[in-house]
Amino acid sequence: AQSVSQHNHHVILSEAASLELGCNYSYGGTVNLFWYVQYPGQHLQLLLKYFSGDPLVKGIKGFEAEFIKSKFSFNLRKPSVQWSDTAEYFCAVNVDYGGATNKLIFGTGTLLAVQP
Amino acid sequence: GAGVSQSPSNKVTEKGKDVELRCDPISGHTALYWYRQSLGQGLEFLIYFQGNSAPDKSGLPSDRFSAERTGGSVSTLTIQRTQQEDSAVYLCASSYGPPGTGSYEQYFGPGTRLTVT
Repeated sequence: AQSVSQHNHHVILSEAASLELGCNYSYGGTVNLFWYVQYPGQHLQLLLKYFSGDPLVKGIKGFEAEFIKSKFSFNLRKPSVQWSDTAEYFCAVNVDYGGATNKLIFGTGTLLAVQP
Repeated sequence: GAGVSQSPSNKVTEKGKDVELRCDPISGHTALYWYRQSLGQGLEFLIYFQGNSAPDKSGLPSDRFSAERTGGSVSTLTIQRTQQEDSAVYLCASSYGPPGTGSYEQYFGPGTRLTVT
């Protein structure tokens, strides 16, 4: 079965530090990749996504992620975090079965706390 | 515009009772999803509806769980004979696009927090 691994469960950073959150998935075929964020008390919302083309994708609020197919990875990065980035981050994969389903398989999430 | 709405926001029920959770997707979105978010299990897919096609029920954990979508819009997730392990936040999402458009963003609702005592 397909799975998504997020190796960092809880990350604590100071403001202005750089961030990289790891995400690996297990599937050899075509995938669509997402990072979602859940700010305290808010809905899950999309940060960025990759489905084709340039493997370096840019999202909202200065986040970016790089798809490395050979490593089955889609790591999230931000050069300088802010206190407002404190949230839980979820990596998700949609396996393209040629139209059978659009379900997302999520990682277990990474809780990021940014200290002012 | 209006986002995905869910009701109730919180539900406390006794073990063994049935519960119904409601989801109103974004108008015009043809795809609707239910997920469950629980401690230790993360976010799990439950069921997916796309237009008039047969739903993908592959994520439903047991036959106590069922869902329907009426008129291609509102959906109800029903849990019969609730158990304590059913306690979780149940999230609904919707997206625009036919099957095969897995790259389309899924918009999530605020969730229903279910507590089974």
